Amino acid sequence: GIQVEQSPPDLILQEGANSTLRCNFSDSVNNLQWFHQNPWGQLINLFYIPSGTKQNGRLSATTVATERYSLLYISSSQTTDSGVYFCAVALGNDMRFGAGTRLTVKP
Amino acid sequence: GAVVSQHPSRVICKSGTSVKIECRSLDFQATTMFWYRQFPKQSLMLMATSNEGSKATYEQGVEKDKFLINHASLTLSTLTVTSAHPEDSSFYICSARAVGGPYEQYFGPGTRLTVT
Repeated sequence: GIQVEQSPPDLILQEGANSTLRCNFSDSVNNLQWFHQNPWGQLINLFYIPSGTKQNGRLSATTVATERYSLLYISSSQTTDSGVYFCAVALGNDMRFGAGTRLTVKP
Repeated sequence: GAVVSQHPSRVICKSGTSVKIECRSLDFQATTMFWYRQFPKQSLMLMATSNEGSKATYEQGVEKDKFLINHASLTLSTLTVTSAHPEDSSFYICSARAVGGPYEQYFGPGTRLTVT
């Protein structure tokens, strides 16, 4: 199956700082999604981005499918951005999640 | 749009009993629904894929007789954990793909199962 690697595993920031999270995957995909898992466990869908670039407020994402990686950018981080960020990829229905990046934003 | 609900959100049951979890797509039809399991501090693992009206496809290592999946309609899939044991305690999350839509999956809020 597809292998998914996320880096860094942990990230600590001061409020207001910018950050970049990376997701590498081992094979061609037709689905790539970024999620933020809140403290209650719910997955908040940030981006559906199998290719290209998207922006939503302070968040943006870029997927370079030919080079098998995706980047999630968080600008002007806030304490509410804390939590675990997952990248998940799929070819067809077989979706695989990375191990996640645990982000802590300190006031 | 694209809302998926799960019920119950939290359940505690005694060892040996069975528990049913419902997953519903509220504002779209889903030919394919998925069940994931997440243990504390770990990532999500796909358990099974179900298509409306047909048998579910289970991932390697997932016992199909223990985790019964029924996808009886285009908006409802159920997961029944039979003869639950403490090691089945976990966070169960479902997702769905819209009929005719992109490959994007929409996730439910999850069900936290505790087996005592």
